[in-house]
Amino acid sequence: AAGVIQSPRHLIKEKRETATLKCYPIPRHDTVYWYQQGPGQDPQFLISFYEKMQSDKGSIPDRFSAQQFSDYHSELNMSSLELGDSALYFCASSLLGGGEGTDTQYFGPGTRLTVL
Amino acid sequence: GEDVEQSLFLSVREGDSSVINCTYTDSSSTYLYWYKQEPGAGLQLLTYIFSNMDMKQDQRLTVLLNKKDKHLSLRIADTQTGDSAIYFCAELRHGGATNKLIFGTGTLLAVQP
Repeated sequence: AAGVIQSPRHLIKEKRETATLKCYPIPRHDTVYWYQQGPGQDPQFLISFYEKMQSDKGSIPDRFSAQQFSDYHSELNMSSLELGDSALYFCASSLLGGGEGTDTQYFGPGTRLTVL
Repeated sequence: GEDVEQSLFLSVREGDSSVINCTYTDSSSTYLYWYKQEPGAGLQLLTYIFSNMDMKQDQRLTVLLNKKDKHLSLRIADTQTGDSAIYFCAELRHGGATNKLIFGTGTLLAVQP
């Protein structure tokens, strides 16, 4: 079965640079979520989109922005990168309102961002 | 993870049962999940339980839910070395049109051969 695809898998950037992370949800899923997992930490919710509209926002810095496109893929844009942004960034997708358990979130393999 | 608590570490011998515990906070959570993360890898969904259930069994996995105490547990029968990983419980919390996951602190399961 098709899974969530994230690209790139690894990214190395310098401080103050920008980065764009991409996420392709499972086909027919209408909702995308972004999570950040720092070293040795649990994943923290950043932002979510339903039907191309921002739905909920967590602890996402103002330097970050995201959107969901007409084909349901999503991009997380990160500017003025800081050392503390080094983390594993996960995208997850789900299908809302389809019945029991269908808003279960399925995670991609993650993008490991290293800021030097 | 400050609202969802797990013990940090569990060590078992191969073939034994493992029980990983989780305490959550939001009594209105409709679903509770268990995810597995191997080193440097993504989050693999293991199982979930609906809040009106007490127990769910899925092959070697058994989930118990005590809604009154907001306590969730994952039992792995006949634990294998391949089960060594970090296990996260997560509660589904409402927010806008979508629901976000609030993860526990994670439990590192080490399986000794």
